[in-house]
Amino acid sequence: DAGVIQSPRHEVTEMGQEVTLRCKPISGHDYLFWYRQTMMRGLELLIYFNNNVPIDDSGMPEDRFSAKMPNASFSTLKIQPSEPRDSAVYFCASGSGLAGEETQYFGPGTRLLVL
Amino acid sequence: LAKTTQPISMDSYEGQEVNITCSHNNIATNDYITWYQQFPSQGPRFIIQGYKTKVTNEVASLFIPADRKSSTLSLPRVSLSDTAVYYCLVGRYSGYALNFGKGTSLLVTP
Repeated sequence: DAGVIQSPRHEVTEMGQEVTLRCKPISGHDYLFWYRQTMMRGLELLIYFNNNVPIDDSGMPEDRFSAKMPNASFSTLKIQPSEPRDSAVYFCASGSGLAGEETQYFGPGTRLLVL
Repeated sequence: LAKTTQPISMDSYEGQEVNITCSHNNIATNDYITWYQQFPSQGPRFIIQGYKTKVTNEVASLFIPADRKSSTLSLPRVSLSDTAVYYCLVGRYSGYALNFGKGTSLLVTP
């Protein structure tokens, strides 16, 4: 398996623009997570899905952020409009959710810079 | 969710054993303890997971006392390549709503 795939790997945009981050989880995993990492706040969970259904989105900072998972092999995280404070590395992770196997597999991340 | 407390940073020399302790006083009965490692410009990577007593794999050992209110990740004979951030997480086996926080930044020097 290729692991969790994220695109783009780098994104530079201007304030006010829409940004869409994409994630392909590992096949067979039924949990998908979106994280954001900054120096100030560390690695924060934004939202996670189970069987394509959002379970907990309490980490989503505000209405400018939205996430979807239309099928088991694809998810998007959208920021509209983007702001400079959204600059961070965004990670997607997936997991199987099997009993006793609480392992999350992370993608390489998308480094976002909002000017 | 159980809150965890771990040191912000640690330093070690090559070849030494490193022990990173994590406190989790309000751990619940069903919670597992999991440690991840993150290198710069990469996503976190699973190292080890345990529920009680001691767990060992090819990378590390995890020591969990009987009260489970803390855990210690032990890295034997560290090398420069073990320089990374180490995260301690506590959660129920079906509860994936976990925050990694800032972890412990380990610096290994010659």
